[in-house]
Amino acid sequence: DAKTTQPNSMESNEEEPVHLPCNHSTISGTDYIHWYRQLPSQGPEYVIHGLTSNVNNRMASLAIAEDRKSSTLILHRATLRDAAVYYCILSEQMNRDDKIIFGKGTRLHILP
Amino acid sequence: EPEVTQTPSHQVTQMGQEVILRCVPISNHLYFYWYRQILGQKVEFLVSFYNNEISEKSEIFDDQFSVERPDGSNFTLKIRSTKLEDSAMYFCASSESYEQYFGPGTRLTVT
Repeated sequence: DAKTTQPNSMESNEEEPVHLPCNHSTISGTDYIHWYRQLPSQGPEYVIHGLTSNVNNRMASLAIAEDRKSSTLILHRATLRDAAVYYCILSEQMNRDDKIIFGKGTRLHILP
Repeated sequence: EPEVTQTPSHQVTQMGQEVILRCVPISNHLYFYWYRQILGQKVEFLVSFYNNEISEKSEIFDDQFSVERPDGSNFTLKIRSTKLEDSAMYFCASSESYEQYFGPGTRLTVT
């Protein structure tokens, strides 16, 4: 599995946008970029995924660099509930039952 | 909104005992998974299951572990003879496409 690199931790103020970076310089042409998050004492939660184009959903936006070697998860207006560990994961999506390989992720702290 | 449920939320067992962790995946999902997370560590893949058979398993998933879908709704993980190092949060997940939906987990404590 291709590797991703994320900062260990980040801080942001409540009600401000948050940009969570992810580097994946060895990404292959068929790798999708997935983001999951894990709130304290909960199971991981799917956030968003994309291949080449930027993606938006009700939770977040995903901005993918033109060369696909990096991406940024954008939380448009952080709330205290967004404090979690955010995981950037690459997946070939060749098979629908592909396992998720979690790294250490970025621990996001939200300051009130 | 449909969700994955797991029971029990916390299981305490003695070393050498058998435990069964139960999961009810989202009803129209066809792919099922178990992951575990030892306290303070990363979430680790254990096994994936599709069409009533194991699709893939990790090195952690040795002969002490087994999975079963005994009926149309439940998905279970059995640990035959628990060891102290099996203490962890165990998460069940299900999917119909590429997004996996996780349950709240079962905390297994082996004493």
